[in-house]
Amino acid sequence: DQQVKQNSPSLSVQEGRISILNCDYTNSMFDYFLWYKKYPAEGPTFLISISSIKDKNEDGRFTVFLNKSAKHLSLHIVPSQPGDSAVYFCAAKRDDMRFGAGTRLTVKP
Amino acid sequence: DTGVSQDPRHKITKRGQNVTFRCDPISEHNRLYWYRQTLGQGPEFLTYFQNEAQLEKSRLLSDRFSAERPKGSFSTLEIQRTEQGDSAMYLCASSSQGFDTDTQYFGPGTRLTVL
Repeated sequence: DQQVKQNSPSLSVQEGRISILNCDYTNSMFDYFLWYKKYPAEGPTFLISISSIKDKNEDGRFTVFLNKSAKHLSLHIVPSQPGDSAVYFCAAKRDDMRFGAGTRLTVKP
Repeated sequence: DTGVSQDPRHKITKRGQNVTFRCDPISEHNRLYWYRQTLGQGPEFLTYFQNEAQLEKSRLLSDRFSAERPKGSFSTLEIQRTEQGDSAMYLCASSSQGFDTDTQYFGPGTRLTVL
């Protein structure tokens, strides 16, 4: 059962522009949400998280937005840099953690 | 380096053989998780430990799979009688239990290929 969905398998943006990665979930019991970045041949690297009691969390160039009524999560990266090119996974947690299938972000110089 | 480490990084085996993977978590973390990731998918939860106790197992974890964390530190994941469908990346993660802070940190993974 796909409780966490990332409907865009890929996204391409120009360096310096904003990257917006989206994630939808179905289980309203999730209380903690995370974004991970993954480079080839490496494990996922934690990027940023947000509790269900908040609607926004910011860390440098990365901001995560949570819309509980829409069961929607997004990650904004601004400005985007070529080094941000990777696969991004959203994850949602109650007891165990469920991941989306990932979105491959390509930032072009 | 005090991150999560996994050994081996790659394992090629023949169908029917047994394999064992090891995970060393971040030292102060009391929770340890195993995931499996196949191409084009996100990690899928297999099992997790709090200290030495195995608290949850996914239905993905068939009876050919067993995991241990005997002293609450490192963990092993064994797959018996491997099948070609077991070919995947096996990821380990650890976390320190805390309200709103159960962020899991992943190791580099062990890539298993079953021929």
